[in-house]
Amino acid sequence: KAGVTQTPRYLIKTRGQQVTLSCSPISGHRSVSWYQQTPGQGLQFLFEYFSETQRNKGNFPGRFSGRQFSNSRSEMNVSTLELGDSALYLCASSLGGGNNSPLHFGNGTRLTVT
Amino acid sequence: AQSVTQLGSHVSVSEGALVLLRCNYSSSVPPYLFWYVQYPNQGLQLLLKYTTGATLVKGINGFEAEFKKSETSFHLTKPSAHMSDAAEYFCAVTRNTGNQFYFGTGTSLTVIP
Repeated sequence: KAGVTQTPRYLIKTRGQQVTLSCSPISGHRSVSWYQQTPGQGLQFLFEYFSETQRNKGNFPGRFSGRQFSNSRSEMNVSTLELGDSALYLCASSLGGGNNSPLHFGNGTRLTVT
Repeated sequence: AQSVTQLGSHVSVSEGALVLLRCNYSSSVPPYLFWYVQYPNQGLQLLLKYTTGATLVKGINGFEAEFKKSETSFHLTKPSAHMSDAAEYFCAVTRNTGNQFYFGTGTSLTVIP
């Protein structure tokens, strides 16, 4: 079974631009979560989607948004990029459905904002 | 509210020595607990999980962890460290409903030859 795929692996953007990151979950997984990882803050939860609906949301500004498609693929968008948005963005999929199945992570997208 | 505390952001052990990485949780309901490992430039990989049943959980690569409710702990151990164990380790907790995971700040393990 293919793992979680995130594209692109690396991205360089300038301040004020916007960016879209993509995540393809493991086949059969209906839940997709996004995390921001930085050296200073660790892993911070952005949001979780289940069956195309945002089910949980972390404490990030509205510049961070996401969506999930009917095939469970998910995208995350960050608008008006700031230098502090530079981070590794990790996507994780799971069966979801409240059965506490573990998260399966992709290798991440490394975003650098200059 | 859920939270996870990992004591020691950096741990160094000699090759062949015992590995002990500490994790304490706070949870208002019975928790589900996980340990993940992250190698450089990669995502997180599940090492082991505790949901219900036996409190001593065995995972991959020779790691194990014991759920101790009275101590609200879920420490990760390995009897003999290998060089390949050098990585970042994260403890995580989730509730028995919903799918939001809470991660600790991570412990970087260095293995000294």
